[in-house]
Amino acid sequence: GAGVSQSPSNKVTEKGKDVELRCDPISGHTALYWYRQRLGQGLEFLIYFQGNSAPDKSGLPSDRFSAERTGESVSTLTIQRTQQEDSAVYLCASTKGNQPQHFGDGTRLSIL
Amino acid sequence: AQSVTQPDIHITVSEGASLELRCNYSYGATPYLFWYVQSPGQGLQLLLKYFSGDTLVQGIKGFEAEFKRSQSSFNLRKPSVHWSDAAEYFCAVSNAGNNRKLIWGLGTSLAVNP
Repeated sequence: GAGVSQSPSNKVTEKGKDVELRCDPISGHTALYWYRQRLGQGLEFLIYFQGNSAPDKSGLPSDRFSAERTGESVSTLTIQRTQQEDSAVYLCASTKGNQPQHFGDGTRLSIL
Repeated sequence: AQSVTQPDIHITVSEGASLELRCNYSYGATPYLFWYVQSPGQGLQLLLKYFSGDTLVQGIKGFEAEFKRSQSSFNLRKPSVHWSDAAEYFCAVSNAGNNRKLIWGLGTSLAVNP
C-alpha cells in the first residue's frame, strides 16, 4: 500500500486478555518503530526494528509487551495479560535511509 | 536526560493571526528536529524537519521553524492561521544514527477562533 497500515483500528478487550496489534510498513522501508500515546501524555517510544539487526527494546514498559518483525515485513506487537494502564493508541512508523518516519493511523486499545 | 518541552499546553488564536508554538529540547548531541501535526481522528503528519544547514526551515501548509542552538529551541511559526490549522502539534527530536527513535514533547493543542 501507499502508507503504513495498522490493524485493527480499534480494539476493546477485557483486563487480563492478550492482544496482538499489527503493522504493515511502507514497502521497502527497512526501519520500523512502535510508539504508544496515552491520554494526556506524550508519545513514548516502545521498540525499533532495523532489517535483520537485533531490535532496540529499551522502551517496552514491561515483560508483558513483546514485538516481532521478520525481515522488512509486517510487525506485530503483543501485550499479554492486559491491564487498564495499557489503554492507549499504539502507533507504528516506518522509514528508510534519511527519510523522516511515516506513521500509520494507530490502533486505539481500550482495556475494560 | 534527553527531553523535549512544549511549554504551552493549549493556545487559542484568531483566524488570520500569527502563530508561534514553542519547543525546547535537552539533548547530548546535535539532534534532528521535527514538528508533527495530529488532527482529530487522523494520524501524525510531518510538517517540517531540521537535519543540518539553514536554520530556518520551511514546511507544508505555510509553516516554518527556526533552529536556535544557543537557546536549544525549535519554535514553529505561521504568519496567518487558518481555521483548518486547529489540531495538536508535537515537537520531537532524534539522533542522527541508524536508530532514530523519536523523543516527543507533550504537544500543544491549537484552537482557532473564527
